[in-house]
Amino acid sequence: AQSVAQPEDQVNVAEGNPLTVKCTYSVSGNPYLFWYVQYPNRGLQFLLKYITGDNLVKGSYGFEAEFNKSQTSFHLKKPSALVSDSALYFCAVRASFGKGANNLFFGTGTRLTVIP
Amino acid sequence: KAGVTQTPRYLIKTRGQQVTLSCSPISGHRSVSWYQQTPGQGLQFLFEYFSETQRNKGNFPGRFSGRQFSNSRSEMNVSTLELGDSALYLCASSLRDSEQYFGPGTRLTVT
Repeated sequence: AQSVAQPEDQVNVAEGNPLTVKCTYSVSGNPYLFWYVQYPNRGLQFLLKYITGDNLVKGSYGFEAEFNKSQTSFHLKKPSALVSDSALYFCAVRASFGKGANNLFFGTGTRLTVIP
Repeated sequence: KAGVTQTPRYLIKTRGQQVTLSCSPISGHRSVSWYQQTPGQGLQFLFEYFSETQRNKGNFPGRFSGRQFSNSRSEMNVSTLELGDSALYLCASSLRDSEQYFGPGTRLTVT
């Protein structure tokens, strides 16, 4: 069964500092991994995905994520945080094949606060 | 391209009533998935439709149902509403098996 863990409910970082939001996953077979961001009273916005290939994936708004197969992790990173990055971030996983392969399993979310 | 649209954006219903939510996917997307988001349970998968067929279903009671039309628009229905059904209902569309794009959601409040 697929599952995602986001070990930190809250991450605080000073503006201009690098940020990391952690995610670990469990899935049968090769994982398809995603990061989404949610602003208040809004739906989820797609940031980036890992399907195959280079372990470092670049996405929207300067975000990137590093896939680590041995640690089953997919941490979201940004070199320099902006106040406007403050939001709720979700990591998601789906299986690459089989029944239910298109179902996304989400982590519980990490609230990122960037302090001016 | 226009994004995923959901109507209505806000809804207030009474226990025991039923409700229908609508979702229009991004043009060309044939897969539509529905999710329920609550503070306690987080984001949970409801069901997915592809080419008018339900492909997958999450662990929700039969009061939750959906359908997809030939133009890929989708509706979900909840009958006999309970207080615990209060949630943000999110619709997402995708090209087959690619990343999903979400609509703004419908905020359902059951009183």
